[in-house]
Amino acid sequence: DTAVSQTPKYLVTQMGNDKSIKCEQNLGHDTMYWYKQDSKKFLKIMFSYNNKELIINETVPNRFSPKSPDKAHLNLHINSLELGDSAVYFCASSLIGTGLNEQFFGPGTRLTVL
Amino acid sequence: DQQVKQNSPSLSVQEGRISILNCDYTNSMFDYFLWYKKYPAEGPTFLISISSIKDKNEDGRFTVFLNKSAKHLSLHIVPSQPGDSAVYFCAARNAGNMLTFGGGTRLMVKP
Repeated sequence: DTAVSQTPKYLVTQMGNDKSIKCEQNLGHDTMYWYKQDSKKFLKIMFSYNNKELIINETVPNRFSPKSPDKAHLNLHINSLELGDSAVYFCASSLIGTGLNEQFFGPGTRLTVL
Repeated sequence: DQQVKQNSPSLSVQEGRISILNCDYTNSMFDYFLWYKKYPAEGPTFLISISSIKDKNEDGRFTVFLNKSAKHLSLHIVPSQPGDSAVYFCAARNAGNMLTFGGGTRLMVKP
């Protein structure tokens, strides 16, 4: 009965490849996010997206792009992977405007670029 | 430039005693603060939050205190239990509903 799920859990790939990470939430939330946790364990926001607006953290390279086929999904596409992209990527979701404010996180996808 | 800082990377506490985790921030535009708990190989789990218009919020064994003038918040866990051992992240929300996280504090509660 997973609330926020991500696939795959582990992803190992070569430099220069293009890859995608999928995220799905079954909470009925209207906003989804992607975060990157780097080797120093800092969690940094990459994107915030709802059906009206995409907010991009200005530090995110344009090789990264979120794609939302519907409200329950926000997939992360990464082009021309680089060594520095190796990290754990977390998807999250929330319901804006309810006053609850908390974001619910998926289990993470560990990406290793060789 | 870290806008949210957790200066203690780790904290060790005896079971039954109080755990106090601290967090400092620099951006006065943050309007909401949250604490998350994270176990290895799992995503962060929401624990407790506080609005910037309040100075205290309590939920069972967990209490969050906010000192706006000092731009400081703390999480108190009492009594601490071994199951509380995890990494705790402080997070602050801006107007775009995006969270800025601190670097985390690893709490170890010893039986």
